[in-house]
Amino acid sequence: QSALTQPASVSGSPGQSITISCTGSSSDVGSYNHLSWYQQHPGKAPKVMIYEGSKRPSGVSNRFSGSKSANTASLTISGLQPEDEADYYCCSYAGSGTWVFGGGTKLTVL
Amino acid sequence: QVQLVQSGAEVKQPGASVKVSCKASGYTFTSYIMHWVRQAPGQRLEWMGWINAGNGEIKYSQKFQGRVTITRDTSASIAYMELSSLRSEDTAVYYCARREPNTNNPFDPWGQGTLVTVSS
Repeated sequence: QSALTQPASVSGSPGQSITISCTGSSSDVGSYNHLSWYQQHPGKAPKVMIYEGSKRPSGVSNRFSGSKSANTASLTISGLQPEDEADYYCCSYAGSGTWVFGGGTKLTVL
Repeated sequence: QVQLVQSGAEVKQPGASVKVSCKASGYTFTSYIMHWVRQAPGQRLEWMGWINAGNGEIKYSQKFQGRVTITRDTSASIAYMELSSLRSEDTAVYYCARREPNTNNPFDPWGQGTLVTVSS
């Protein structure tokens, strides 16, 4: 199972918006609604920011939003804040009980 | 509150095995699935497998099939992940993460991670 494709890095200034893409295939992202996004700060465990493609868990800022079209999912962070600087991973169900993560994207807040 | 607490860091020699534990609290252990995910230094998250804590059903990633064994102790609300024939490339932080079966819910929460270092 190949990793989902994410840009290695993105950057933005405080207050700006950025979007991180996550490209899979018709065997994973394109076929299931199990698409989630995780934020990971250095040395910390991942934290879910978006699930089911576009839903936010309670406690997650509404500056985080998700969408999906065909084999590509996207995470948008609006009104960038310094504390958003972290690594972000997408994750999709890939059928037959298996799961696959993206390669990860390092977000830098300039 | 829902919490997953993992066992401490391990240092193993190549060829050995390691068993990492994940103790759950704050919820009904047997109503959820426990996944295991690892992250080598500076690398991406990598899904390893899961166990349904209720019925014991297991699924492993093809990459680890034959080397990984996931088990659980329902009386103690603990899930285990054992990886055998360790090599240097297995040096990583190993995480457990809970997921609700038959839903679109995500991996949440995660354990704090267990660093396994494979070195001679």
